[in-house]
Amino acid sequence: RKEVEQDPGPFNVPEGATVAFNCTYSNSASQSFFWYRQDCRKEPKLLMSVYSSGNEDGRFTAQLNRASQYISLLIRDSKLSDSATYLCVVNKGKLIFGQGTELSVKP
Amino acid sequence: EAGVAQSPRYKIIEKRQSVAFWCNPISGHATLYWYQQILGQGPKLLIQFQNNGVVDDSQLPKDRFSAERLKGVDSTLKIQPAKLEDSAVYLCASSSGQGWNTGELFFGEGSRLTVL
Repeated sequence: RKEVEQDPGPFNVPEGATVAFNCTYSNSASQSFFWYRQDCRKEPKLLMSVYSSGNEDGRFTAQLNRASQYISLLIRDSKLSDSATYLCVVNKGKLIFGQGTELSVKP
Repeated sequence: EAGVAQSPRYKIIEKRQSVAFWCNPISGHATLYWYQQILGQGPKLLIQFQNNGVVDDSQLPKDRFSAERLKGVDSTLKIQPAKLEDSAVYLCASSSGQGWNTGELFFGEGSRLTVL
């Protein structure tokens, strides 16, 4: 079993849609969690951290469920510029990246 | 502030040849990472340095890969001999202190390797 597993993509959604990505992790001792964004043929960049209480940054909401070892990212009112691959990242003393979920937002 | 610099951006070699990649982290960042990203996959950590010491190299194929950060600043990653499955983007990242704790790694643009 992979340490970090994400929904397979791609997700194709129209502008304005709400889309959710899921991620599960296998190591219950994992300490902290993050979402990164990677544009096509570019480097990954930190999008947001994921806190136990859940956190929001504009149109983006991240949730953590430690009991189920599950992380989610919700994007509301999708924009064309949100098209990218979203990487779930788990910290277990080093950062472990999931395979990523590709999002394509269409006009 | 200058970002993480990597070179070369692209490299094409034949199998069994050798290749070296160079990385210069953000000034003052103590921690440097090399990740391998194969097409369609997430980045996989190869090696992590804290200053000039190795923190983690558990996933580095040591029979063919080597990395060094002699003066605690820039770093080189070498592959010798290369195999077809080494075709990937090699990403260098840096962070201040224990970036793995804050989650904030700053990546370079990567070095794309094609092995024929």
